[in-house]
Amino acid sequence: SQQGEEDPQALSIQEGENATMNCSYKTSINNLQWYRQNSGRGLVHLILIRSNEREKHSGRLRVTLDTSKKSSSLLITASRAADTASYFCATGSLTNQGGKLIFGQGTELSVKP
Amino acid sequence: DTAVSQTPKYLVTQMGNDKSIKCEQNLGHDTMYWYKQDSKKFLKIMFSYNNKELIINETVPNRFSPKSPDKAHLNLHINSLELGDSAVYFCASSHRGTGGGGYTFGSGTRLTVV
Repeated sequence: SQQGEEDPQALSIQEGENATMNCSYKTSINNLQWYRQNSGRGLVHLILIRSNEREKHSGRLRVTLDTSKKSSSLLITASRAADTASYFCATGSLTNQGGKLIFGQGTELSVKP
Repeated sequence: DTAVSQTPKYLVTQMGNDKSIKCEQNLGHDTMYWYKQDSKKFLKIMFSYNNKELIINETVPNRFSPKSPDKAHLNLHINSLELGDSAVYFCASSHRGTGGGGYTFGSGTRLTVV
C-alpha cells in the first residue's frame, strides 16, 4: 500500500535557487527517510529523521518532520544542475515486519543551469 | 567497493519464459529486499529476507520466487513471464529494522517482456 504522497510531483528551478519538496503520510512511523534517484540509476539514501526529531541537516539538505501533521519537507539549498533527479520520501514503522520502507510517488526536480 | 550489485542490468525476454535476477551485498547487512518500480516510478516492496529467512511477502503472484542461499545473496526467479512484469526491479539491503539506518540499493534490473 502506498504511504507517502509527495508534493509537488514535478519542480523546475534555476541553479542557485532553493528547492522544497513535501511528503505526507498516513500511519504512525518510526522514522522517515529521503532518497534520490538519478535517471536510470538506483536510489541513494540522503537522510533519515526519527519520529522524535523535528529537524535535521546534512550539507545543503534540511529535513523537517511534523508528526502531528504527518508531514515532512526536504529543502535543498543553493541547488545545482547535478541535483536534477527524482526525490522520494519513505516511511519506516516499528509495526512493519522486517522494517520495510514504504515509498511515496516521488518529486521530479529539474535544476536548470 | 562495498555495494549492492545485481545482475543483469537489462533483461529482454519473451512472454512465457522463466528468468532470474541475482543480487549480492558485501555490506554485512542482515536484511535484503526486492522492490519493483513501475513506469510511473512507484516503488513497491515485493519480498524481504532477514538472515536467509523470508519475513515479508507482499501480494505478489506466486510466479515470483525469491531465494536466499545466504544472508549476502537474494535472488529472484520469475516463471511464465507476462507483459505486466515489465518494470525495473531493485534489490536493497539494510540492517534489520528501519531504525538501523537507510537502505542501500542496487542499480536495478530493467526487465522488458515482449
